[in-house]
Amino acid sequence: ETGVTQSPTHLIKTRGQQVTLRCSSQSGHNTVSWYQQALGQGPQFIFQYYREEENGRGNFPPRFSGLQFPNYSSELNVNALELDDSALYLCASSWGLAGGRETQYFGPGTRLLVL
Amino acid sequence: DQQVKQNSPSLSVQEGRISILNCDYTNSMFDYFLWYKKYPAEGPTFLISISSIKDKNEDGRFTVFLNKSAKHLSLHIVPSQPGDSAVYFCAASGSGGYQKVTFGTGTKLQVIP
Repeated sequence: ETGVTQSPTHLIKTRGQQVTLRCSSQSGHNTVSWYQQALGQGPQFIFQYYREEENGRGNFPPRFSGLQFPNYSSELNVNALELDDSALYLCASSWGLAGGRETQYFGPGTRLLVL
Repeated sequence: DQQVKQNSPSLSVQEGRISILNCDYTNSMFDYFLWYKKYPAEGPTFLISISSIKDKNEDGRFTVFLNKSAKHLSLHIVPSQPGDSAVYFCAASGSGGYQKVTFGTGTKLQVIP
């Protein structure tokens, strides 16, 4: 059983560019959530996908978008990058929808730096 | 608006002693609480959880206590071991529109051998 993997591990972009981050869920998991963790802060919920449909969204603007594929891998896309988007981006996979009660399995994250 | 607060950014404890990590929340709609542990360069790992219908949940060396009236929970680690050194995040979720998981800012625990 493989764990949650994310790519790339590190990324440097300039303001205004677009970025795509990828996540491969743990085997058998059909739910993926994305989080942004700024320096010195806890993870902040961006959105969740269940069976390829967005199932909830945090307080992030529409330039943050996502996709979940039939194999339950996932992408986070961020357009028009801003300096404040510099953070660690975490994805977490889980089985089913339990309203926040499901155990989430996190990947190691992608560290994004926007210059 | 920080709905889940961990007011102690760091904590140092001697090996073998008790570690107590505290967490406060403000949203009365939260009814499920979790603790995650994070090592450097790794993602958070689920540790223990508690539902609001309980006031205590125990799993080996880890016990979580919930005081609903005070909107306060704590994680006790007994005895503390050097391998417990990590950042601990408190998190909460609720029903209805509060099903997303809201994390605190974390407490860095150092267990000194």
